[in-house]
Amino acid sequence: QVQLLESGPGLVKPSQTLSLTCTVSGGSIRAGGYFWTWIRQHPGKGLEWIGYIYDSGVTFNNPSLKSRLTTSIDTSKSQLSLQLNSVTAADTAVYFCARVKGSGSSYSDYYPYYGMDVWGQGTAVIVSS
Amino acid sequence: DVVLTQSPVSLAVTPGESASISCRSSQSLLHSNGNNYLDWYLQKPGQSPHLLIYLGSTRASGVPDRFSGSGSGTDFTLKISRVEAEDVGVYYCMQAQQIPVTFGQGTRLEIK
Repeated sequence: QVQLLESGPGLVKPSQTLSLTCTVSGGSIRAGGYFWTWIRQHPGKGLEWIGYIYDSGVTFNNPSLKSRLTTSIDTSKSQLSLQLNSVTAADTAVYFCARVKGSGSSYSDYYPYYGMDVWGQGTAVIVSS
Repeated sequence: DVVLTQSPVSLAVTPGESASISCRSSQSLLHSNGNNYLDWYLQKPGQSPHLLIYLGSTRASGVPDRFSGSGSGTDFTLKISRVEAEDVGVYYCMQAQQIPVTFGQGTRLEIK
């Protein structure tokens, strides 16, 4: 049973860099037929997609965050990482990582997809001085 | 970006009755490969979201058959037959047909 566990600092000062990690256990981060995603939820609000990352390191990120966002994957540690620069109060949210069952991308006809089938519990981040 | 509009915003249902949630997309979610890339997720109170339906109408593993998804193109519906107390929470539709992935604003289901 694959499990995802997000971890992070909890509190970040404005203008600083937010760094989060998602650790994958109970299965291989390089298992064929899966890729990974980050999603956040502002307090009392809906869900916002942050980006996809594949085990090859290829990423597709939300253009609204693109200039500030870096995501990466370390297959040797079974970890995903997220870095968000120049944070403001608007980045206060619960951050989730999730596994996407599928492969390819929406940019090609070959796009087997079976949904975001495993989610972490989320990690809360507050941006405040 | 694709905008997903859910209705109603909230609904209260008597246990045993059915409920329907609509999700309308600003653009067609029908991919050139013939699939509709529309998911439904439920976020129960205090929990992470979990997958109910993918590709518009396919139930995820372990999801009771009381949950069904339908629709194509721009109009989709999640139907819950015989609502139970454990079904309370916020339901989200999500499109994966285009980058960026986007979510509906959510529909809160309560039990009467």
